[in-house]
Amino acid sequence: GDSVTQMEGPVTLSEEAFLTINCTYTATGYPSLFWYVQYPGEGLQLLLKATKADDKGSNKGFEATYRKETTSFHLEKGSVQVSDSAVYFCASTRSNDYKLSFGAGTTVTVRA
Amino acid sequence: GAGVSQSPSNKVTEKGKDVELRCDPISGHTALYWYRQSLGQGLEFLIYFQGNSAPDKSGLPSDRFSAERTGGSVSTLTIQRTQQEDSAVYLCASSLGWGLEGGYTFGSGTRLTVV
Repeated sequence: GDSVTQMEGPVTLSEEAFLTINCTYTATGYPSLFWYVQYPGEGLQLLLKATKADDKGSNKGFEATYRKETTSFHLEKGSVQVSDSAVYFCASTRSNDYKLSFGAGTTVTVRA
Repeated sequence: GAGVSQSPSNKVTEKGKDVELRCDPISGHTALYWYRQSLGQGLEFLIYFQGNSAPDKSGLPSDRFSAERTGGSVSTLTIQRTQQEDSAVYLCASSLGWGLEGGYTFGSGTRLTVV
């Protein structure tokens, strides 16, 4: 079945460091891909998405590119802030489907 | 409302008791979803509602779990005879339709602890 594998954490960084969280997917067809973020004490929020190959999703300085050839959707940010400390989840769904398959989540802590 | 509201935010219950978890989706969102977030299992799909109907209950882990939705709005997830392995954060989400172009909007969850 469809699944998502993401880099295990926790990840600890200093402010202004570069962040990468790896995510790969297995799916039949061409899934839509998402990154969700969960800040402490809050619900999951959609961070960015891409619905077809070579699409780049971006939001709040984060970017991820849908790479069909490597079945990947790695999340990157060039200069993190303390406020980026959160748990990040990669997710996929088949087109026209409602069910999201989530990765295990990666906890990111940014220190001042 | 402005967001997806879940109650209670925390619930501690004794093993064997029944619990009810409530979700109030965004007004006008026809699709509603329940997920469970637990250590070692990540986020698991439980059930999907379109209006008041549940066309997909495939993720409910046992017959102790049930859910209903009334008036195309509020949903209740009921767990009967709770077990310690039911301890988890139960997340509700809603979306405008059943497609995922816009993604879901999640609530903050109910943290259930069975002692």
